[in-house]
Amino acid sequence: NAGVTQTPKFQVLKTGQSMTLQCAQDMNHEYMSWYRQDPGMGLRLIHYSVGAGITDQGEVPNGYNVSRSTTEDFPLRLLSAAPSQTSVYFCASSPGTGSTEAFFGQGTRLTVV
Amino acid sequence: EDQVTQSPEALRLQEGESSSLNCSYTVSGLRGLFWYRQDPGKGPEFLFTLYSAGEEKEKERLKATLTKKESFLHITAPKPEDSATYLCAVQGHTNAGKSTFGDGTTLTVKP
Repeated sequence: NAGVTQTPKFQVLKTGQSMTLQCAQDMNHEYMSWYRQDPGMGLRLIHYSVGAGITDQGEVPNGYNVSRSTTEDFPLRLLSAAPSQTSVYFCASSPGTGSTEAFFGQGTRLTVV
Repeated sequence: EDQVTQSPEALRLQEGESSSLNCSYTVSGLRGLFWYRQDPGKGPEFLFTLYSAGEEKEKERLKATLTKKESFLHITAPKPEDSATYLCAVQGHTNAGKSTFGDGTTLTVKP
């Protein structure tokens, strides 16, 4: 059972480039979310989805897009990368939205130069 | 707006020296408070969920407690393998399941 799988693990982008961070879960979870974690800080919610076809913004959505065409996949798109988006990105999934634990991927370390 | 403040930022203990980590929170109607452990270069790993004041949960050397304003993560006789960053998060009834995280406490246990 793989859980939550994120790819790639590391990425370097030039300012202005676009890319997609991939996230897949095999637990049939309804709820999926993307967080960013900056040094010495906790996790900040970027976007989340309560089911296929439904997405919404979190605390820091600017510069990012998401879509949820299947239950399993929740990709995060950076439209035009900026140095301020240098961070570690975590994808998480939960069985539902009702106070359930989250299962996290291993993270993608992104550097924008 | 939900808020979570964790203290201290960093804690260094000798092996066997018990202590507590604090998580103070403000939320409009608590649905749940979560504790996670995060090792360097890894994603957070779930430890506990607490739902109401007075609730306690234990796992090996860890015990989490909850009041109406704060939660404590008590570590009894820690070992070096307990070294990690411990994150606290809350979900409120008005935020449809979105979690707000604190900045974490980094625990180092010296042998």
